[in-house]
Amino acid sequence: GESVGLHLPTLSVQEGDNSIINCAYSNSASDYFIWYKQESGKGPQFIIDIRSNMDKRQGQRVTVLLNKTVKHLSLQIAATQPGDSAVYFCAEKDPGTYKYIFGTGTRLKVLA
Amino acid sequence: GAGVSQTPSNKVTEKGKYVELRCDPISGHTALYWYRQSLGQGPEFLIYFQGTGAADDSGLPNDRFFAVRPEGSVSTLKIQRTERGDSAVYLCASSLTPAGANTGELFFGEGSRLTVL
Repeated sequence: GESVGLHLPTLSVQEGDNSIINCAYSNSASDYFIWYKQESGKGPQFIIDIRSNMDKRQGQRVTVLLNKTVKHLSLQIAATQPGDSAVYFCAEKDPGTYKYIFGTGTRLKVLA
Repeated sequence: GAGVSQTPSNKVTEKGKYVELRCDPISGHTALYWYRQSLGQGPEFLIYFQGTGAADDSGLPNDRFFAVRPEGSVSTLKIQRTERGDSAVYLCASSLTPAGANTGELFFGEGSRLTVL
């Protein structure tokens, strides 16, 4: 399949360390946000979501933080593993529509 | 299989030709999306179906693009008079609940890579 994200910002992290991936969103009225993981040649895979009435949500090894004041999302991955290597996208639901608007993505490289 | 299935996985065509891309969503999923992803970019919304009807086609770039979902299940994205700029990965996603329910659980297929020579 096609390799996605050849020209994306890259975050390199040592295996076992924590990763933080950041995303700025555009619409202050957006009330729902999702993080997706995309491996080369595959479609995006849902990781975690958060609604605008929350500041933080935790999953298994992942935490999403939402700062509505500065329209910023972050995804924290604990104890990063080689299998976490992928491109990560944040997406916001466009208010009043059916669209999910994706950011440009960040490539995460896990170093052994 | 249990996931979203897209065919063909790869399509190479010549400029000016007509192309059809097929999406078979997860059984029972009423919501279906088409997205387009260019190299180094995030997926770009094209069209959303709820059941058989296109609830939002505002992302289709021009009238050369058209999509159908006649029986509320399989969808076909049709591109007429293809141009080199149409080269991209076309992603299909389905969801159990309508987008208005604010669920983010879109299940994506692996995409159809279209190359227009």
